Amino acid sequence: AQTVTQSQPEMSVQEAETVTLSCTYDTSESNYYLFWYKQPPSRQMILVIRQEAYKQQNATENRFSVNFQKAAKSFSLKISDSQLGDTAMYFCAFMKHVTGANSKLTFGKGITLSVRP
Amino acid sequence: NAGVMQNPRHLVRRRGQEARLRCSPMKGHSHVYWYRQLPEEGLKFMVYLQKENIIDESGMPKERFSAEFPKEGPSILRIQQVVRGDSAAYFCASSPWQSYEQYFGPGTRLTVT
Repeated sequence: AQTVTQSQPEMSVQEAETVTLSCTYDTSESNYYLFWYKQPPSRQMILVIRQEAYKQQNATENRFSVNFQKAAKSFSLKISDSQLGDTAMYFCAFMKHVTGANSKLTFGKGITLSVRP
Repeated sequence: NAGVMQNPRHLVRRRGQEARLRCSPMKGHSHVYWYRQLPEEGLKFMVYLQKENIIDESGMPKERFSAEFPKEGPSILRIQQVVRGDSAAYFCASSPWQSYEQYFGPGTRLTVT
């Protein structure tokens, strides 16, 4: 079974600054995907960024980037130039790769990020 | 292309009643997943369905909970004889075949009084 750990319950950052959210996971699988989801006060789950485990290059989506350390089983999210709209809960999630099939997501407990004006 | 639809958005039930939560996947998506989010917690997987088939129900409580995804119509998550501990947000996600991308609905917030 897979586990995802987000040990920081909450963080705060000044607008326009950079913040890093931590995530570690445990799995015996060699092929998998990792995700960061954002849940704003509306509670809608929004995909922020994804990383395929077989790719060494870290994924980047505009102001969001990840630091994927496969050997350490670490997957942190960096948010640059933080904006007030980034205030939300952020969830790290794991998905096992299953050949020819779909698979479920395993989520961490989440971290509450507050961006201060 | 409409997103994943869930209804109702809010549902209040008294202890012992039944709750029915509906999920309409995105057009072209044949796979549906149900997740539950308890207060201050992350989402926990419940069940994964394909049309007319349950693929993985490893996260479903053994009693009172059932799910279906018929050939026609939405997926239904059914909770019989609800208890206060069932109060949570229930999210549905859908995906096309052989895809790692899951698209989430807005959730149904169930309150049991």
